[in-house]
Amino acid sequence: DAGVIQSPRHEVTEMGQEVTLRCKPISGHDYLFWYRQTMMRGLELLIYFNNNVPIDDSGMPEDRFSAKMPNASFSTLKIQPSEPRDSAVYFCASSLARIGPWYEQFFGPGTRLTVL
Amino acid sequence: SQQGEEDPQALSIQEGENATMNCSYKTSINNLQWYRQNSGRGLVHLILIRSNEREKHSGRLRVTLDTSKKSSSLLITASRAADTASYFCALMPSGAGSYQLTFGKGTKLSVIP
Repeated sequence: DAGVIQSPRHEVTEMGQEVTLRCKPISGHDYLFWYRQTMMRGLELLIYFNNNVPIDDSGMPEDRFSAKMPNASFSTLKIQPSEPRDSAVYFCASSLARIGPWYEQFFGPGTRLTVL
Repeated sequence: SQQGEEDPQALSIQEGENATMNCSYKTSINNLQWYRQNSGRGLVHLILIRSNEREKHSGRLRVTLDTSKKSSSLLITASRAADTASYFCALMPSGAGSYQLTFGKGTKLSVIP
């Protein structure tokens, strides 16, 4: 398995531009998570999906952020308009909820976003 | 806060020594997980310990959990330079259907060859 795939790996954009981050979860996984990591705030959960349905988006910082999961193999996180304070590494993770205690999450390599 | 708090924030040891990192938390948990993050990479799951377990081993890793003290520790024995990374504890709260993990800010481990 290729693992969780994220694109692009690096994104540099100017303030006010729209940014779209993409994620392909591990095939068969039914949970997908979007995180943001900064030095100041650490790793923050933004939103997560179960079977393509958003379950909790309370971590999404503002209305400028939106996330979609149109099918089981693809999700996007969009920032419009972007601001310099959105600069961070954005991670996508997926997991498979089974009967039992195994809720390990598999992380993608991340997208490093820089907003100038 | 549902976030775990790792201690120390940074740790520097010589290769071959043992490294111990601690995590304290305040909520009731279903399980507690430890992850490793190498510089510039995503997080990698290391080990999971359930709330009714006290100790688990995986290779050179040993994790303990004390739910009465709401704390966990991760021990890496015979450390190697390749163990240099940040280590995070992640909490899964108790409650049916809750699959969110809340991560601490991590312990940055440096293993000097």
